[in-house]
Amino acid sequence: GAGVSQSPSNKVTEKGKDVELRCDPISGHTALYWYRQSLGQGLEFLIYFQGNSAPDKSGLPSDRFSAERTGGSVSTLTIQRTQQEDSAVYLCASSLGPGGGSGNTIYFGEGSWLTVV
Amino acid sequence: GDSVTQMEGPVTLSEEAFLTINCTYTATGYPSLFWYVQYPGEGLQLLLKATKADDKGSNKGFEATYRKETTSFHLEKGSVQVSDSAVYFCARSDRGSTLGRLYFGRGTQLTVWP
Repeated sequence: GAGVSQSPSNKVTEKGKDVELRCDPISGHTALYWYRQSLGQGLEFLIYFQGNSAPDKSGLPSDRFSAERTGGSVSTLTIQRTQQEDSAVYLCASSLGPGGGSGNTIYFGEGSWLTVV
Repeated sequence: GDSVTQMEGPVTLSEEAFLTINCTYTATGYPSLFWYVQYPGEGLQLLLKATKADDKGSNKGFEATYRKETTSFHLEKGSVQVSDSAVYFCARSDRGSTLGRLYFGRGTQLTVWP
């Protein structure tokens, strides 16, 4: 597609349930990122993929959070046993190669709004 | 401490007013610097960037100059419009890093009234 696509756009789940959030990056982009945006915390980095491997997963807040990427394309962020503090907008982004300091522009999706009740 | 600090909002201006949103950073080496904008109901978009000291990024009438001596990257616009109402995020990365991670400020909400 033309941009980074995320689904679902909105998700309400009960505390303790597992959720999966999907990201479809821009075609041909090898780098993929997950960020979290919540009130009071701003934008938090979660994990970075280059191809199918994750050289930086330092931002995952707990072992309830995991992510994978297959075929160098689609990525799934999984949150197990959700808690109310997991409520946030989960943003996916991609770039042609490593972004930021390497000069490749990072493009963001519109996010998946997660509400844990 | 925070690696990117930007002025707290909300900022409320009348149309055609001058805008400054301050941003300072801490980093080792020479980071690349960015301003992203998030319009209501939309995703983050890159507004402008600068990759080395004294570079000026510009787009849509917005400008920001990479000031190494003051570790700043303040966003300015000479005459704001109602359509500029959005949340603005300052960000940095580590120059030359292969990890590509961005470090964001907390965002500044701008509202422009007609």
